[in-house]
Amino acid sequence: ELMMTQSPATLSVSLGGRATLSCRASQSVRNLAWYQHKPGQAPRLLIYDTITRATGVPARFGGSGSGTEFTLTISSLQSEDFAVYYCQEYDNWPPWTFGQGTKLEIK
Amino acid sequence: EVQLLESGGGLVQPGESLRLSCAASGFTFSPYAMSWVRQAPGKGLEWVSSISGSGSSTYYADSVKGRFTISRDNSKNTLILEMNTLRAEDTAIYYCAKDLRPASIFEGSCFDSWGQGILVTVS
Repeated sequence: ELMMTQSPATLSVSLGGRATLSCRASQSVRNLAWYQHKPGQAPRLLIYDTITRATGVPARFGGSGSGTEFTLTISSLQSEDFAVYYCQEYDNWPPWTFGQGTKLEIK
Repeated sequence: EVQLLESGGGLVQPGESLRLSCAASGFTFSPYAMSWVRQAPGKGLEWVSSISGSGSSTYYADSVKGRFTISRDNSKNTLILEMNTLRAEDTAIYYCAKDLRPASIFEGSCFDSWGQGILVTVS
């Protein structure tokens, strides 16, 4: 079964800094999404089809990658960006597989 | 504006049943596949079940197969999750989620809208 592995588990970055989050698939995938999740809130779709920003998502969020290695980059970190981020593969379903998450915290 | 509102959660004992509903508004419901995703305490997101727009195709995680049933009522814009033989490990916040794209034939998709979630506690 496909596995999605995110790293690091926790990432500490300063306000205004740049965050690079990784997601590795156990086999090659074509379609990847990234979500932002804050406590007590609904998860929010940030990136779909690996590189496309969802409606209303600021340009400081960028997705890249292919095959088994994918990256979410957040530049010029704002206070509202500190959250847990999940990748999700939606090629090899079922199941729809999420990574275990990366917690982005303020340094 | 898309809105998804879950209801029906609560505290039940192991072996009991619960029925979750998700009321959808702000979009044309029937063309979109819908899903349930859960988050156990201190854990990440886990896909539970999905259903095609017509309701003819359904999918389940192995952990709930045979115990949970997903359905939808397109006349009422409502998604349902019937949960039977509940276990302690089913304790989680359950989210209703909408596919990104409408599809006449079911296809894998990511989820562009989510409800606020409803807590199910099995204890």
